[in-house]
Amino acid sequence: TQLLEQSPQFLSIQEGENLTVYCNSSSVFSSLQWYRQEPGEGPVLLVTVVTGGEVKKLKRLTFQFGDARKDSSLHITAAQTGDTGLYLCAGDEGGGNKLTFGTGTQLKVEL
Amino acid sequence: KAGVTQTPRYLIKTRGQQVTLSCSPISGHRSVSWYQQTPGQGLQFLFEYFSETQRNKGNFPGRFSGRQFSNSRSEMNVSTLELGDSALYLCASSFTGQGLGNTIYFGEGSWLTVV
Repeated sequence: TQLLEQSPQFLSIQEGENLTVYCNSSSVFSSLQWYRQEPGEGPVLLVTVVTGGEVKKLKRLTFQFGDARKDSSLHITAAQTGDTGLYLCAGDEGGGNKLTFGTGTQLKVEL
Repeated sequence: KAGVTQTPRYLIKTRGQQVTLSCSPISGHRSVSWYQQTPGQGLQFLFEYFSETQRNKGNFPGRFSGRQFSNSRSEMNVSTLELGDSALYLCASSFTGQGLGNTIYFGEGSWLTVV
């Protein structure tokens, strides 16, 4: 069974600070996705990274896929209260919608 | 367009009972997958259906089953409920379920509490 470990598990910061969330695995994935989930809702896809070393930017969010396609990071610049939520990475093994989800990072951004 | 719709949103069942959850995918989507989310285990894959056939299955006991209808709507059933089955059950749909351009959309989930 492939596992995805995320760190940190919890993160509480002030608005305007920067942060990085890590997603690590011992296995290789064909692609890796990042989701954000808010209370009472399902996860919402933020980005999909496919190529080793790939970097994608989504406004203040920067996503990176490791060269060996085993790990990924999410960096948020100048966090806002609206960034609060559960961030999940998910690895695609390449066969259908069978995603392996990470352990999750609960982010709280306060004024 | 309408998103993934799951019913019911909340339900409470007693140990030993069975439950059926329903999922209506986004119009045109043929792949439907189910996930269980708990505080302890996180999000875990249950199974995936495509064109009425189960294409992938996670590591859950046989008490968990599902099916997909010709209109792509899906149901999952849990028999002989246990306290540990209390969880948020999420349904997700996508157009094909494969390929790099395949985007997965999740519903809001069905909250199941077993007492």
